[in-house]
Amino acid sequence: EPEVTQTPSHQVTQMGQEVILRCVPISNHLYFYWYRQILGQKVEFLVSFYNNEISEKSEIFDDQFSVERPDGSNFTLKIRSTKLEDSAMYFCASTREGNNQPQHFGDGTRLSIL
Amino acid sequence: DQQVKQNSPSLSVQEGRISILNCDYTNSMFDYFLWYKKYPAEGPTFLISISSIKDKNEDGRFTVFLNKSAKHLSLHIVPSQPGDSAVYFCAARRAGSYQLTFGKGTKLSVIP
Repeated sequence: EPEVTQTPSHQVTQMGQEVILRCVPISNHLYFYWYRQILGQKVEFLVSFYNNEISEKSEIFDDQFSVERPDGSNFTLKIRSTKLEDSAMYFCASTREGNNQPQHFGDGTRLSIL
Repeated sequence: DQQVKQNSPSLSVQEGRISILNCDYTNSMFDYFLWYKKYPAEGPTFLISISSIKDKNEDGRFTVFLNKSAKHLSLHIVPSQPGDSAVYFCAARRAGSYQLTFGKGTKLSVIP
């Protein structure tokens, strides 16, 4: 069964550095998402992306964050000037076109900011 | 933000019995509800969903019930199996929105 893949599985970065998290959504899916889960807290929505533009974003997704689909398969989340509080699991998800389609998640990238 | 609440952090059930996981929501604009299962070190895996125009959806051992007037949904797993032991998340989506709002999860332990 096709799945969403995320790399790396664990990223350790110094505070203030930039980090790029990578995702390969399911091939026939057209909607892409990023979520995060801080340890002990709920999974939180960051951003959705469709047709090469952001379709919706949360208050968390400020100017520090950006997303890009650099080619036909990858979907990336960039975090500029990382802070300690950015430490979390970051999940990518994708959905096919159509009404009421479930989001399918990757296994996440654990981001640790030192 | 407590729009989606799962009030039981954990649940233990004997193998072969029914597991019932509950979820309450406060936002009446939610029109699509999903259940996900999550094992440690993995992402949430989609289990089953229900649209607000229905009150029940069934897929094999999994059934989701929606009570709109009570703003309550539940996931029934029958019969429960040890492999069902995981954290179960309820999620909801507002009409016209893309984002899912998640509950905190319920850790299900199925005892052999």
